[in-house]
Amino acid sequence: LAKTTQPISMDSYEGQEVNITCSHNNIATNDYITWYQQFPSQGPRFIIQGYKTKVTNEVASLFIPADRKSSTLSLPRVSLSDTAVYYCLVGDTGFQKLVFGTGTRLLVSP
Amino acid sequence: EAGVAQSPRYKIIEKRQSVAFWCNPISGHATLYWYQQILGQGPKLLIQFQNNGVVDDSQLPKDRFSAERLKGVDSTLKIQPAKLEDSAVYLCASSPRRREDHTQYFGPGTRLTVL
Repeated sequence: LAKTTQPISMDSYEGQEVNITCSHNNIATNDYITWYQQFPSQGPRFIIQGYKTKVTNEVASLFIPADRKSSTLSLPRVSLSDTAVYYCLVGDTGFQKLVFGTGTRLLVSP
Repeated sequence: EAGVAQSPRYKIIEKRQSVAFWCNPISGHATLYWYQQILGQGPKLLIQFQNNGVVDDSQLPKDRFSAERLKGVDSTLKIQPAKLEDSAVYLCASSPRRREDHTQYFGPGTRLTVL
């Protein structure tokens, strides 16, 4: 199972762009990269998933370089409601065994 | 569509007692997961079902934890007897596991406090 490393915490202000980078040096060929968001007292919520290059949806972008050993979650113009813990995970397409790390605690201030 | 349902939302028991949690996944999702999340940590997978068969239970403490998924839909997770270190949030998730969608959808969790 690929292990991931991400910053423990990040601080930002409303309206700024936030980039959270995750390292996954041992990612396997079949692994997807997935990001989840978790608010207190709630289960994690899927944000975005990708395999290579760039993926964008209505809430975030995911940048994956060619070697796939890292990835960056980009949150454009964050608001106070984006304060949460963000998890980077890698998982194979076969069994989708997801291993959560401790995540990145993002605090957005006014 | 309705999300993953879990009950109860909160449970307080004394050590050595038994407890059971229930999960109803999203309709049509073949894969169901139970996770344990200790305060300040990320969720840890306990068991994964594909339909009503167990795919992975390598991290399930089988001396006290058990889980079943009858008829490939609802699932129950049981702890017997509970220990203080079992205090955590127990999350259920389901996934369609289609080629184009590997997303796991999580329920709100059951917060267990063992006194």
